[in-house]
Amino acid sequence: DAGVTQSPTHLIKTRGQHVTLRCSPISGHKSVSWYQQVLGQGPQFIFQYYEKEERGRGNFPDRFSARQFPNYSSELNVNALLLGDSALYLCASTILTGTGDSPLHFGNGTRLTVT
Amino acid sequence: DQQVKQNSPSLSVQEGRISILNCDYTNSMFDYFLWYKKYPAEGPTFLISISSIKDKNEDGRFTVFLNKSAKHLSLHIVPSQPGDSAVYFCAASPLNDYKLSFGAGTTVTVRA
Repeated sequence: DAGVTQSPTHLIKTRGQHVTLRCSPISGHKSVSWYQQVLGQGPQFIFQYYEKEERGRGNFPDRFSARQFPNYSSELNVNALLLGDSALYLCASTILTGTGDSPLHFGNGTRLTVT
Repeated sequence: DQQVKQNSPSLSVQEGRISILNCDYTNSMFDYFLWYKKYPAEGPTFLISISSIKDKNEDGRFTVFLNKSAKHLSLHIVPSQPGDSAVYFCAASPLNDYKLSFGAGTTVTVRA
């Protein structure tokens, strides 16, 4: 079975530019979440989407946005890039069972470098 | 505000011995706890979880213990193997809330 796939794997952008990161969830998973991992820290929650609707948003500025498509894939967009946006961006999917016992399954991430 | 804390950034253990990783949390609303393992250049891989109605969950060589009164959980790996060398993250969330809060991770090195 294919796991969570993310593209691209690496990306280099300049300050002020815009970036779009893409994610395909595991087949059958309808929920997608995005996390940012800065070196030396644990992943930080950015967004969660379920059935194309935003279900949660972390403490990130409005420069960060996302959406989920009818096939449950997702995009994360970041505008006006700052040096501090350099990080590993992780996408995760899950089956929402309603009992809270479904773990997130992560992709390998997109390494974004802002220069 | 770091709601999940892993106070040991690294742990070195001899092959065959037990690895014990610790995690503390501050949010009393957390009801679901997970451990993830991460190799370089890969995403975190789910290892084991526990809900607040239990105090222990075991899966093969991995056992997670939860002490809700102390807001503390631990992961035991027995016996430790060279392939266990990785970064381990503790994570937590309220029940039915899929926003995970992660600790900063503990790097485990298993010596031959």
